[in-house]
Amino acid sequence: QQQVKQSPQSLIVQKGGISIINCAYENTAFDYFPWYQQFPGKGPALLIAIRPDVSEKKEGRFTISFNKSAKQFSLHIMDSQPGDSATYFCAAREDFRDDKIIFGKGTRLHILP
Amino acid sequence: EPEVTQTPSHQVTQMGQEVILRCVPISNHLYFYWYRQILGQKVEFLVSFYNNEISEKSEIFDDQFSVERPDGSNFTLKIRSTKLEDSAMYFCASMGPGKNIQYFGAGTRLSVL
Repeated sequence: QQQVKQSPQSLIVQKGGISIINCAYENTAFDYFPWYQQFPGKGPALLIAIRPDVSEKKEGRFTISFNKSAKQFSLHIMDSQPGDSATYFCAAREDFRDDKIIFGKGTRLHILP
Repeated sequence: EPEVTQTPSHQVTQMGQEVILRCVPISNHLYFYWYRQILGQKVEFLVSFYNNEISEKSEIFDDQFSVERPDGSNFTLKIRSTKLEDSAMYFCASMGPGKNIQYFGAGTRLSVL
């Protein structure tokens, strides 16, 4: 119930291509869905986040698509660049009940130059 | 940009020894967290701390773990008697009064031999 399932585990994309990472959840009490980016030797850093009252949020080349009825959300990275190579975690939080972030298992993204 | 600082970056200890991991959260933040990431696995919530007391803890956070904010700036995680399975990256995070974004430190890699 508390899990966030993430796929794929790893992803290789050509420079300029679109990277897509998918996540699914069960707990309908989740009401905040952040994506974190982690570079080697660094902590997770918030990339973009969405609440379930909107179906899409775009910030630059990064877009979250959210399907509330399917309990799924995805991250799209347009025009992927080698500097985007990192591990990406989807996550969820129950804002009103507690603050803890439930992370997915992560996707290792490698952008080929 | 303000950041969460963690020390040491790497801690090696013998099984059964006590370790203290240190964190300096962002200065005006009120909510503090510890997470851990076993190598190759997802980031897992350990404990949240607010107003000088634990708000929530996971089942991982057993009697061997404790947290403290000793002086108004540092936030520490103590493991009383380390086990081999405590080897992981430990991340500290903090969040401001608006309860929006959790900022993560770069982590302390704990290696228990």
